[in-house]
Amino acid sequence: NAGVTQTPKFQVLKTGQSMTLQCAQDMNHEYMSWYRQDPGMGLRLIHYSVGAGITDQGEVPNGYNVSRSTTEDFPLRLLSAAPSQTSVYFCASKRDGSGYGYTFGSGTRLTVV
Amino acid sequence: EDQVTQSPEALRLQEGESSSLNCSYTVSGLRGLFWYRQDPGKGPEFLFTLYSAGEEKEKERLKATLTKKESFLHITAPKPEDSATYLCAVSMYSGGGADGLTFGKGTHLIIQP
Repeated sequence: NAGVTQTPKFQVLKTGQSMTLQCAQDMNHEYMSWYRQDPGMGLRLIHYSVGAGITDQGEVPNGYNVSRSTTEDFPLRLLSAAPSQTSVYFCASKRDGSGYGYTFGSGTRLTVV
Repeated sequence: EDQVTQSPEALRLQEGESSSLNCSYTVSGLRGLFWYRQDPGKGPEFLFTLYSAGEEKEKERLKATLTKKESFLHITAPKPEDSATYLCAVSMYSGGGADGLTFGKGTHLIIQP
């Protein structure tokens, strides 16, 4: 049981490049979310999904796209990378129901130069 | 204005010296309050969910309590392995879908042997 797997663990991009951060979970969780974590700030919600085919925006969605074609996968796409997107990105999943906590992946550390 | 405020930002304790971390929130319509532990270079690890004032939950040396405006994470006789950043987060009925979480900035706890 791997939990939530994020790839890559580290990435350096040039300004204007695009890339996809991968996230996969093997727990059959319906809910999945992407957060970013910046120094001196709490984790902030980027996008979330309540099931395959359903996604919506969180607090800081600009510059990011998501899709959810399967229950297992929830990739995050950076359309045109900017230095302000330098951050650590976490994917998380949970079962339906407010009583369950999110299981987080180990993160992707992204640097945009 | 921050909706979730954690204090102190950092705390250094001697092994065995009990203390408490605070999480105050200003949101209305609280669905749940969550505590997570985060080790350096890793994703947050779920500890507790609290729903209503007066509720308490325990796990080993940790006990979380909830009032109408704040939550405390009590650490009893801590050991060096309890050193981590402790994150508080809230889920709101009016907040992001999929029980999207609003996080505080965390308390960095160091337990010295």
